[in-house]
Amino acid sequence: AQSVTQLDSQVPVFEEAPVELRCNYSSSVSVYLFWYVQYPNQGLQLLLKYLSGSTLVESINGFEAEFNKSQTSFHLRKPSVHISDTAEYFCAVSVGNDYKLSFGAGTTVTVRA
Amino acid sequence: NAGVTQTPKFQVLKTGQSMTLQCAQDMNHNSMYWYRQDPGMGLRLIYYSASEGTTDKGEVPNGYNVSRLNKREFSLRLESAAPSQTSVYFCASASLGNTGELFFGEGSRLTVL
Repeated sequence: AQSVTQLDSQVPVFEEAPVELRCNYSSSVSVYLFWYVQYPNQGLQLLLKYLSGSTLVESINGFEAEFNKSQTSFHLRKPSVHISDTAEYFCAVSVGNDYKLSFGAGTTVTVRA
Repeated sequence: NAGVTQTPKFQVLKTGQSMTLQCAQDMNHNSMYWYRQDPGMGLRLIYYSASEGTTDKGEVPNGYNVSRLNKREFSLRLESAAPSQTSVYFCASASLGNTGELFFGEGSRLTVL
């Protein structure tokens, strides 16, 4: 079975500063990797995903994540955050195509002016 | 464009009472899921249904039952609620051709006294 560890539970950051959210996973087989975002009082939305190919994946709103197989990591970064990026971010992993995602505990990002 | 709809959004129960959470999706997805979200623990899979007519246990199935009523609907039942089942419950769906993107409902907040 796979597990996901998000190394930071809370990340406060100032507006326009960079942010990095760390995610490590454990699995003995190949995995698919995801970042989901949850805005207050809403369900989760897919932010970006790694299935295969290029190890650097990007979202439409400026986030990017890099798959590092040797370090079993999938860290999420944004070079300049906005107030609207305040949310909880979840890293998730699945094996195969049944979409039984295993989620990390989440990282709460609070962006301050 | 409703997506995934959950009812009710809020519910308070007394220990021992029963209730059913309803979930419906209008995206013609094959797979449906029930997760619970607890602070500091991320989302944990309760049950899932890979296709109409099939259901399987997830990580934390004890105390719950599910029914895949048809392709659109997937309900979660608590037969005898316990305070440990106080949580936010999320229903999600996915298409097998869409490699891993889950679509979530807005959640159902359940409190068991």
